[in-house]
Amino acid sequence: SQQGEEDPQALSIQEGENATMNCSYKTSINNLQWYRQNSGRGLVHLILIRSNEREKHSGRLRVTLDTSKKSSSLLITASRAADTASYFCATDHTGTASKLTFGTGTRLQVTL
Amino acid sequence: DVKVTQSSRYLVKRTGEKVFLECVQDMDHENMFWYRQDPGLGLRLIYFSYDVKMKEKGDIPEGYSVSREKKERFSLILESASTNQTSMYLCASIGGRETQYFGPGTRLLVL
Repeated sequence: SQQGEEDPQALSIQEGENATMNCSYKTSINNLQWYRQNSGRGLVHLILIRSNEREKHSGRLRVTLDTSKKSSSLLITASRAADTASYFCATDHTGTASKLTFGTGTRLQVTL
Repeated sequence: DVKVTQSSRYLVKRTGEKVFLECVQDMDHENMFWYRQDPGLGLRLIYFSYDVKMKEKGDIPEGYSVSREKKERFSLILESASTNQTSMYLCASIGGRETQYFGPGTRLLVL
């Protein structure tokens, strides 16, 4: 399996703090995507970064990609209680999202 | 907005039963997927379909089959449910873009 690894497995922070999650993968990619999953629900796409990009922003989200280290990080700034969820990275080796390889996820808990 | 729906949110079945999980998308997407999600293992691809009546095995197809008779509907079939198939099942679709759209999931318990 080419499944990615994420760390930490679980993260607990207070509202207003920043949350950083990391993802490592094994083989070269076309792009890397981050998804969010609220408890017991489906996944929702957050952001996509291509292999030739190093950093991308979307609102309070910042994603970095280091292809030499085969790793990515997701930073959520000024976290809110509503950010409580599991976050998954997914690597796309084809560029068509026809076969994504998902990581094991980071469970983020944001407390008031 | 893309909408992917799954026939049941929760399902309880007995060992040996035949189980059908249905997924419907309303955006004319060509590619559809079935995953199972287990704690500590993330999402694992069971089967995917890139067109009507076309299917390909994913990483863990054993014990499952699929059916895609219409473009909008992709069914996952457990021919004879076993307790190790207790899991969360997620359906997803894509349609020319680079991201997958997921349904809300079906939590299946096999007793």
